[in-house]
Amino acid sequence: NAGVTQTPKFQVLKTGQSMTLQCAQDMNHEYMSWYRQDPGMGLRLIHYSVGAGITDQGEVPNGYNVSRSTTEDFPLRLLSAAPSQTSVYFCASRASSYNEQFFGPGTRLTVL
Amino acid sequence: SQKIEQNSEALNIQEGKTATLTCNYTNYSPAYLQWYRQDPGRGPVFLLLIRENEKEKRKERLKVTFDTTLKQSLFHITASQPADSATYLCALGPKNTDKLIFGTGTRLQVFP
Repeated sequence: NAGVTQTPKFQVLKTGQSMTLQCAQDMNHEYMSWYRQDPGMGLRLIHYSVGAGITDQGEVPNGYNVSRSTTEDFPLRLLSAAPSQTSVYFCASRASSYNEQFFGPGTRLTVL
Repeated sequence: SQKIEQNSEALNIQEGKTATLTCNYTNYSPAYLQWYRQDPGRGPVFLLLIRENEKEKRKERLKVTFDTTLKQSLFHITASQPADSATYLCALGPKNTDKLIFGTGTRLQVFP
């Protein structure tokens, strides 16, 4: 099992560009989440999903879109990148609410 | 407002001693609490889960306590080793939601 995979590992964008961060898991987990991690701010929840076709907002959803068309994939779209979105992004999955969460290796995004 | 607070300052302890990390929360009603370890440049890794009706959980050299009256969890590493040096994150699973909300983390440094 590959676990949770994320692509790309690094990305540099210019302000106003759009892009999609990819996330996939092969553990058949229902729950998937996106977090961003900034120095001194910890992990902040952007969006999450409890199954295919179901998504909801986390603490910091503005500027990001998600969709969940399959159990395996949960892409995160940046609509119009801003320097404030410079961060490390982690995707995570878990089987259900009480279960341990598995994290991907992260994507380091810089917006110039 | 809702907060999950962990010591922002690093905890430095000598090898062999017990490390104790604190997680305090306000305006949350958690169904459970989890602890994760994060090494630099990597995603967090799950360590332990404790439910609201449990006072204590142990796993090898790790012990977690959960006091819903004090709104606090303590995370202990006994006989600490330099390999335990990392950032430790607590995460809350609030009742009536499927979110998992993280604290800011505490960096632990164990020196020989």
